[in-house]
Amino acid sequence: GAGVSQSPSNKVTEKGKDVELRCDPISGHTALYWYRQSLGQGLEFLIYFQGNSAPDKSGLPSDRFSAERTGGSVSTLTIQRTQQEDSAVYLCASSYSEGTDTQYFGPGTRLTVL
Amino acid sequence: RKEVEQDPGPFNVPEGATVAFNCTYSNSASQSFFWYRQDCRKEPKLLMSVYSSGNEDGRFTAQLNRASQYISLLIRDSKLSDSATYLCVVNSGGSYIPTFGRGTSLIVHP
Repeated sequence: GAGVSQSPSNKVTEKGKDVELRCDPISGHTALYWYRQSLGQGLEFLIYFQGNSAPDKSGLPSDRFSAERTGGSVSTLTIQRTQQEDSAVYLCASSYSEGTDTQYFGPGTRLTVL
Repeated sequence: RKEVEQDPGPFNVPEGATVAFNCTYSNSASQSFFWYRQDCRKEPKLLMSVYSSGNEDGRFTAQLNRASQYISLLIRDSKLSDSATYLCVVNSGGSYIPTFGRGTSLIVHP
């Protein structure tokens, strides 16, 4: 079946612009996670959704970052007024339910802020 | 102490070698454990879950030691294609956020 998809695969933007990153989870998966990974670094947790609710936003680095999920499916991560330090790969993962289930990752969006 | 710790490596081994990685975790209430593999510039992919009784999948064996709070991954007869970063993942059960280790880099050379 279809896996997790993300778009765009690459995004180059200028400092100060807003960007939207999209994630389509596996159908039927209720939990959705956003992470980012800088070059050569580990995964940094950003936000988690259960259904359309975000019980844990603790990883969002600043108020420039926001995310939503609609219909218990597609999620959008928005970064306002991008900064160069936002450059990273943004990974989305979904799992059947929260907690102990296996996570399946999308291919990521590589964001470059010039 | 970090929640999940891994030796970053790199582990540089010849083809055919046996190599083992450990991953220590700090939360004794942790309930589920996984090994993921991440190739360069790719997303992490599940390699195997780690069960209390240990589990084996071909050349790969994973074990859990609850008393000492670590999990291990053993790779036998290493192949060039095993070169990747291996991520340890721990779920505490009380938190819905899995904790990822920083990964251990493996390089298998001819």
